[in-house]
Amino acid sequence: EIVLTQSPATLSLSPGERATLSCRASQSVSSYLAWYQQKPGQAPRLLIYDASNRATGIPARFSGSGSGTDFTLTISGLEPEDFAVYYCQQRGNWLTFGGGTKVEIK
Amino acid sequence: EVQLLESGGGLVQPGGSLRLSCAASGFTFSSYAMTWVRQAPGKGLEWVSPISGGGGYTYYADSVKGRFTISRDNSKNTLYLQMNSLRAEDTAIYYCAKGHSTSTNSYFDYWGQGTLVTVSS
Repeated sequence: EIVLTQSPATLSLSPGERATLSCRASQSVSSYLAWYQQKPGQAPRLLIYDASNRATGIPARFSGSGSGTDFTLTISGLEPEDFAVYYCQQRGNWLTFGGGTKVEIK
Repeated sequence: EVQLLESGGGLVQPGGSLRLSCAASGFTFSSYAMTWVRQAPGKGLEWVSPISGGGGYTYYADSVKGRFTISRDNSKNTLYLQMNSLRAEDTAIYYCAKGHSTSTNSYFDYWGQGTLVTVSS
């Protein structure tokens, strides 16, 4: 089973700042990686798929990069609604989710 | 508009059974794999079981294999999860999620609001 390790566990930032979230796979998943956003009491929402493709309706401030084992989700300027938990998920070798990164207001 | 509406959650004793349903609308249900994903209180996401669009292929996480059964009725646009021999560690919000593609090994582009299953005596 491929293990996805997300870092940091918590990211404390102010609105307008740039957020950089990391997801590292225990073995290569090629570009088969997605990112989700989850707010309290809500279901996850697909943000990025295949490492760098924005899902329908996702603002351009969200971008993804990486391949193989190292991936990054960047939020170019945090809006108040972006403070949430973010999960990565791979489908390169079956399915696994990372443990999540919480982006909180500093 | 894609909509997924789960139902069937509740409180059940250890060893008991529960059947979850997910009513889908707004897309060609039979064309997409569907997956149950769960989230224990305060924890991360865990895939439970995907099923192919036609229902012929099913998979299970090791944690539920032999106890849970996924199925679908494409004539009713409904996904099911039969959960038997429930354990305390099965306590979670259960989401149904639509596959981003036809593959059971997929991302999830739409999610239901979730239904809470609590296993406790």
